[in-house]
Amino acid sequence: IVMTQSPATLSVSPGERATLSCRASRGVGSRLAWYQQKPGQAPRLLIYDASIRATGIPARFSGSGSGTDFTLTISSLQSEDSAVYYCQNYGAFGQGTKVEIK
Amino acid sequence: EVRLVESGGDLVQPGGSLRLSCAGSGFTFDIYWMSWVRQAPGKGLEWVANINEDGSAKAHVDSVKGRLTISRDNAKNSLYLQMSSLRVEDTAVYYCVRDIPGGASYFDAWGQGTLVTVSS
Repeated sequence: IVMTQSPATLSVSPGERATLSCRASRGVGSRLAWYQQKPGQAPRLLIYDASIRATGIPARFSGSGSGTDFTLTISSLQSEDSAVYYCQNYGAFGQGTKVEIK
Repeated sequence: EVRLVESGGDLVQPGGSLRLSCAGSGFTFDIYWMSWVRQAPGKGLEWVANINEDGSAKAHVDSVKGRLTISRDNAKNSLYLQMSSLRVEDTAVYYCVRDIPGGASYFDAWGQGTLVTVSS
């Protein structure tokens, strides 16, 4: 299975909404996770089963979708959200979306 | 506090061998599937291998089959990755990760990573 993320880079002003997309090459039900990775750090699990926030993840992060098309939304971007975001289904990761603060 | 601490990364020549270790603490190690995930310099994440709770079931990504082998010792709360016939393309930071129970391979705890460099 191949996971494709878009866009490669997203530039968003603080307080604005950021919308990241992930597409699976075939249907995966709701078996999808999102991770955040900041420079020099290990990734952190944000969302699993497409829409369930992991422990300690702020409510501004939300996930949606099923089948082949998924979305990660950051409702009001904060400066600390600048990072690369990856989607994942089992052994397949997307190539990542870099979120930059305008 | 859940902690995963990797060790064993090093500079090794192509064709060489290395053994990575990961010490888990702060959780009941032997009830979790565990995995290795790697990240080549400046690149994305790649799942490498996983192992079930008692070590009786393992899976490896095709590109490493026959060269990298995952194992665990629950008595020592430790996960391992035996690496042989290393290639330049195996150069990466290797993360030890814990799987959320349920079999969907979601990784809720990560170590800080250990760097393996394969170069002559």
